[in-house]
Amino acid sequence: NAGVTQTPKFQVLKTGQSMTLQCAQDMNHNSMYWYRQDPGMGLRLIYYSASEGTTDKGEVPNGYNVSRLNKREFSLRLESAAPSQTSVYFCASRRLSSYEQYFGPGTRLTVT
Amino acid sequence: GENVEQHPSTLSVQEGDSAVIKCTYSDSASNYFPWYKQELGKRPQLIIDIRSNVGEKKDQRIAVTLNKTAKHFSLHITETQPEDSAVYFCAAGDSGAGSYQLTFGKGTKLSVIP
Repeated sequence: NAGVTQTPKFQVLKTGQSMTLQCAQDMNHNSMYWYRQDPGMGLRLIYYSASEGTTDKGEVPNGYNVSRLNKREFSLRLESAAPSQTSVYFCASRRLSSYEQYFGPGTRLTVT
Repeated sequence: GENVEQHPSTLSVQEGDSAVIKCTYSDSASNYFPWYKQELGKRPQLIIDIRSNVGEKKDQRIAVTLNKTAKHFSLHITETQPEDSAVYFCAAGDSGAGSYQLTFGKGTKLSVIP
């Protein structure tokens, strides 16, 4: 059981470039989440998917898009990266009718 | 939406002393209150949680208390050890509409001095 996995671990982008962060879970969880973590700001929800086929905006969705590819995978896309998107991105998943969220190892993204 | 305030932002204690971290929340619909521990460069991991129908929960050296009326909850760590040094996040969760969203506090950096 790998749990929640994320790729890549590190990424450096130039302003205006695009990229997709990948997240997968092998725990048969229904819900998946994308957070960003900035120093002194805690974890802020970008988008979530309550179940396969649905996605909804969180607290800070601007500049991002998501795709729930199937039950296992939930990707986060930056279409035109900006320096303000420099952050550590965490994916999390949750099984049906449970609150507990399991986090992936994170992706550290730097936009120059 | 929900707003979670967490205090203090940094906390230093001597090994063996107790540490207390406090959080307040704004939305009375919130009914789940977890605490996550994050070591440097690692992912957040759940250490304890409490539901709104419970006032206190204990797990070895860690306890959480909840005051629904005042909308605040606290993490208590007794007999602190150097391995307790980490950033701790509180959160408030709401099962409304099936989303089970969590709103996190900004974190408390706990340093345990040997």
